[in-house]
Amino acid sequence: ELKVEQNPLFLSMQEGKNYTIYCNYSTTSDRLYWYRQDPGKSLESLFVLLSNGAVKQEGRLMASLDTKARLSTLHITAAVHDLSATYFCAVDKEKDSNYQLIWGAGTKLIIKP
Amino acid sequence: GAVVSQHPSWVICKSGTSVKIECRSLDFQATTMFWYRQFPKQSLMLMATSNEGSKATYEQGVEKDKFLINHASLTLSTLTVTSAHPEDSSFYICSARRAYEFETQYFGPGTRLLVL
Repeated sequence: ELKVEQNPLFLSMQEGKNYTIYCNYSTTSDRLYWYRQDPGKSLESLFVLLSNGAVKQEGRLMASLDTKARLSTLHITAAVHDLSATYFCAVDKEKDSNYQLIWGAGTKLIIKP
Repeated sequence: GAVVSQHPSWVICKSGTSVKIECRSLDFQATTMFWYRQFPKQSLMLMATSNEGSKATYEQGVEKDKFLINHASLTLSTLTVTSAHPEDSSFYICSARRAYEFETQYFGPGTRLLVL
């Protein structure tokens, strides 16, 4: 059974600091996704990682994928308050000719001024 | 871009009534749509996968007769919560995948349901 674990589940940090969120998954998968969710809102796609060694960056966020370790990281550089949100990673799983997303529990990130 | 809309965005209803939620892909054809529910401070829980023109595939533990899903066209899927009860109160989110594009699910803005 494919499981996705995120760590940490909650993170409070000060502006200007760096931190990394980890996403481990239990079996091989073709794609890994990172999403952002603001309170009361739906999900916003951040990154899609397709291959081993993939690294993508958008602003202060950088995501990487190591398929051998079954690990993805989301690194936050010089955090700012606007990055406060809940971040989810998800992994594709094929089922009955469809692809489903298996979700991590989410990491709630609070960035204090 | 690929835009998915949901309607309504907020609904409050009395216990025992049925509520229909629409999910539309506005600028693309969605061969597959997904319905999720999300409880406060929790992750998304997949309820069902629907392919246009065929019956939805429900996840284990999701009552088919309770949550009726209809994917009648390539741009519209509906979720009907029948005989709603307070425990059905939740945030319901749909997503859609384009034909031949397996990489990305496009998410709707969500529908918040409160059953009194």
